[in-house]
Formats: sequence, structure tokens, C-alpha cells
Amino acid sequence: GDSVTQMEGPVTLSEEAFLTINCTYTATGYPSLFWYVQYPGEGLQLLLKATKADDKGSNKGFEATYRKETTSFHLEKGSVQVSDSAVYFCALRSNFGNEKLTFGTGTRLTIIP
Amino acid sequence: NAGVMQNPRHLVRRRGQEARLRCSPMKGHSHVYWYRQLPEEGLKFMVYLQKENIIDESGMPKERFSAEFPKEGPSILRIQQVVRGDSAAYFCASSPPMQGVNTEAFFGQGTRLTVV
Repeated sequence: GDSVTQMEGPVTLSEEAFLTINCTYTATGYPSLFWYVQYPGEGLQLLLKATKADDKGSNKGFEATYRKETTSFHLEKGSVQVSDSAVYFCALRSNFGNEKLTFGTGTRLTIIP
Repeated sequence: NAGVMQNPRHLVRRRGQEARLRCSPMKGHSHVYWYRQLPEEGLKFMVYLQKENIIDESGMPKERFSAEFPKEGPSILRIQQVVRGDSAAYFCASSPPMQGVNTEAFFGQGTRLTVV
């Protein structure tokens, strides 16, 4: 079945540092890929997505590129801020007609001023 | 346009009681999904419903759990005879009728169930 493997946390960085959170997936066919962010006490918000190979999703300075050859969708940001502190989830959705999302375990990110 | 509304936000139940979690999807959305998040874990799919139909319940425990999405009113996730292991955050998501690669699911803020 489908699965998502995500870099384990927690991750602690200083403000303005470079961020990478690794995500790899296993799926049949050509899934859509997503990054969601969860701020403390809140639900999930879609951060960015990519629906086909070589697509790059971007939002709020975050980027991720859909790499079919390495089955990866790593999240990057060039300069993190304290307000980026949250839990980040990588997810996929099969495009075989079942619209459920399969999530990774999440990576807790803390940015220190 | 209000987002996905879940209530209550926090629910405390004693072992053996029933828990009823409500989810009102976004206006115009006819697809509802329920996910469970155990402490320090990711979200696990439970059930996918459309109006009056259960489409996929492969993630639902076989006993004590049920879900519905009636023609009128919110979707309900019902847990009978709760046990401590049911303590978790339960998230609802909704999406519009037209499904495709660009369809986005919007999440509610979740209901945090604590069984004491």
C-alpha cells in the first residue's frame, strides 16, 4: 500500500538558517504530493503541493520538488523565521480514484531567535 | 465562507461512555474524511463519506466506531464504550464534489478526545 517516510524530528534551528525536511514515498502510479503545516493547537493547513513529476510547489518561502526518480518531495526554505515553528507533515494522495491522504509521521520544527 | 467546523474542540469522557464528534464541511463540499492523530504521531485515515454514503471505511476499527454523513446536518463520528486508547485528536476534512488532481481537502481544527 501507499506510505510516506518522513525525516524524524524534532528539528531545532536558529533564525535565518536553511531548512530541509526529507520526505520519500511509496505509491502505485503517479500520486499527488503535499506538505501540510500544523501550528500548536490548530488543524492542518495546506502549505504546498505538486501533482506531477518535476512540478515544484512553493508558498511562503517554502519549496518542494516532485522527484519521481528518487520518489522524494523534500521541503526546503532558505531562511527560517520563528513563526515557522510548527509540525510539518508530508502526504500523498493516490490518483487511482481513492481520495484519502496518506501522511508521514510529522516533523516538529522549532526556530530559536 | 466559513471553514470546516468541528465541535466540540475538547471532549472528556469516562471509560464506557459514548463520544459523538461533529463536523460541518465547507459550504458546497459533499465529501468528508475523518482522520485520527495519536500523540506524537501522524494522521491516520479512518473513513471517507459522501452524502448518505460511506465510500471507504478501511481505516475504521471494526467495533465501537461508526460514522455517518446525512443528507441534512453535519457528519458524525461516534465512538461507543470509549477506552483510554481512544484518546486522540480527531480531524475532519472536506472537499468539493468535483475530484481531480487539483482537488484540495480543507481541515477543521480537530476535536481532542480525552478518556479518563
